[in-house]
Amino acid sequence: GAGVSQSPSNKVTEKGKDVELRCDPISGHTALYWYRQSLGQGLEFLIYFQGNSAPDKSGLPSDRFSAERTGGSVSTLTIQRTQQEDSAVYLCASSFLSGVSTDTQYFGPGTRLTVL
Amino acid sequence: LAKTTQPISMDSYEGQEVNITCSHNNIATNDYITWYQQFPSQGPRFIIQGYKTKVTNEVASLFIPADRKSSTLSLPRVSLSDTAVYYCLVGDRASGTYKYIFGTGTRLKVLA
Repeated sequence: GAGVSQSPSNKVTEKGKDVELRCDPISGHTALYWYRQSLGQGLEFLIYFQGNSAPDKSGLPSDRFSAERTGGSVSTLTIQRTQQEDSAVYLCASSFLSGVSTDTQYFGPGTRLTVL
Repeated sequence: LAKTTQPISMDSYEGQEVNITCSHNNIATNDYITWYQQFPSQGPRFIIQGYKTKVTNEVASLFIPADRKSSTLSLPRVSLSDTAVYYCLVGDRASGTYKYIFGTGTRLKVLA
């Protein structure tokens, strides 16, 4: 079936604006993950969902970041009052089983966010 | 948080075997170790996963010593298309909830 999809693929915004990033996981996957990858850097874990619930939100960089998942499917990562340091590629992944163990995660292509 | 470290970069020639090691001192007892490959402008892609000793699939082998504080990804006979960044992934439960910790990544360059 189709893989993980993310939209938009690229987003350019002005400092102070809000942005919403969307992730469509693989159908039937119960766990969904968000990561951030700054230019030339590694992957920074932000949050994961088991169903619609996120057990721990402490990985979100600041209170300007929020994430939700509805219907056990689509997830949205929202960044309010964007700052230039928010510029990065935001990657979403999903996996079939519970997010408690190290399941095989299938990644989307990412959303490249540029804050001017 | 658990700290996972990898060499920053490695160079190899086509046809050689490449071994990339990841150090993960605080891996949780029940956690598996997973390795991913990432090409530019793409999301990471699963390579191999293991818990202990040795695992082999059609593209790689994974060696994990008894103490599980490190793991070594082995790529046999690399080709130019193996040029990519390689990450190990482990879990961390130190904070009481589960977090996913990717290694620092190893940039492999395969030369002709």
